[in-house]
Amino acid sequence: QKEVEQDPGPLSVPEGAIVSLNCTYSNSAFQYFMWYRQYSRKGPELLMYTYSSGNKEDGRFTAQVDKSSKYISLFIRDSQPSDSATYLCAIQAGGTSYGKLTFGQGTILTVHP
Amino acid sequence: DGGITQSPKYLFRKEGQNVTLSCEQNLNHDAMYWYRQDPGQGLRLIYYSQIVNDFQKGDIAEGYSVSREKKESFPLTVTSAQKNPTAFYLCASSPWGLAVSQETQYFGPGTRLLVL
Repeated sequence: QKEVEQDPGPLSVPEGAIVSLNCTYSNSAFQYFMWYRQYSRKGPELLMYTYSSGNKEDGRFTAQVDKSSKYISLFIRDSQPSDSATYLCAIQAGGTSYGKLTFGQGTILTVHP
Repeated sequence: DGGITQSPKYLFRKEGQNVTLSCEQNLNHDAMYWYRQDPGQGLRLIYYSQIVNDFQKGDIAEGYSVSREKKESFPLTVTSAQKNPTAFYLCASSPWGLAVSQETQYFGPGTRLLVL
């Protein structure tokens, strides 16, 4: 079993739809949770990070963490064609694993006009 | 203009050849990382370095080597021992090993390595 599981999709939605992207993880030592966006043939860029259970909102993006279920989500409201990209969840343990991120496989999202 | 640069953008390797991928950052970050990205597998950590002249193996270090002689530079060599080197290679950096803050890991634009 992989430490972080993410549905690779692909996911195709119409413009304006609400998008839900999800990851599950198995290691309860994971404490920090991030979402990266990666456009085709580019490096990933950080979208959201959080370290506690609950919701964190930034514009059209909401990151949700449920540590009891080991489940994290990224919601995109009013999706735009410019949101078309691969979305990667990344999780980090604390302690001596500082700096090491474990990534999900990435979900390919296409938002069509 | 601060950031991470990787070169070349595309690199072709012949059988039995060692090739070196360049990564430079001017963000004054202590920690640097190399990842490999294959379709459907996300990013996998090859090597990381938290300080000059020190580095540790990641999850898939076999067939790769690195050096960290300067804070700004963390080159990756793909050796002939790496039998399946075709992939997208990403370099990242962060302040002092801690990836969790507003200043988390920043990524370069990547190098695509192809085998001839």
